[in-house]
Amino acid sequence: GAVVSQHPSRVICKSGTSVKIECRSLDFQATTMFWYRQFPKQSLMLMATSNEGSKATYEQGVEKDKFLINHASLTLSTLTVTSAHPEDSSFYICSASLIAGPYNEQFFGPGTRLTVL
Amino acid sequence: AQSVTQLGSHVSVSEGALVLLRCNYSSSVPPYLFWYVQYPNQGLQLLLKYTTGATLVKGINGFEAEFKKSETSFHLTKPSAHMSDAAEYFCAVFGNNRKLIWGLGTSLAVNP
Repeated sequence: GAVVSQHPSRVICKSGTSVKIECRSLDFQATTMFWYRQFPKQSLMLMATSNEGSKATYEQGVEKDKFLINHASLTLSTLTVTSAHPEDSSFYICSASLIAGPYNEQFFGPGTRLTVL
Repeated sequence: AQSVTQLGSHVSVSEGALVLLRCNYSSSVPPYLFWYVQYPNQGLQLLLKYTTGATLVKGINGFEAEFKKSETSFHLTKPSAHMSDAAEYFCAVFGNNRKLIWGLGTSLAVNP
């Protein structure tokens, strides 16, 4: 149980285009979803926290107009990288969270490799 | 403020040798601690977690970790390394803001 999928797994796009990444919890309803960015050989950087039906909360330094997050249901969140540029190339990982008592347990998707040419 | 420190960004062991990956945390409240593994170009998989109760926690793939409050540590161990253990390992603590606070990760190499 607790499977999270991401689509697409890899995407290559031209500079200036927008790219949408989907994150789905397949067998549970997630109270919260998180979006992370990971640079090569580095740790995860939290970009935003997303709750169903409400606006995402972005971390300091993350451009909300650049990285649009929509949390349409308890099983689906999308991240749209708008007007992508080469510096947006990265590995994007989502996680879906269940409240497990006093803490949240996060289940991670397999990640999306974005390359902007 | 809560934080996680992973000592050693790169650890190399021989196949069959003991694996020890170090994690120290800082937390003003009883911590909830996690170890995740990430294989190349993949997402993260939970290895084990400490919430309450027994301080020695057993996880998947033969890994275990011991919560030591006095040392503010949660080191990850495995008695005998296998080639398939080569991966990136992340320690995390559940923060007061209900988000995970991550260590920088330790890359484990296993040599034949």
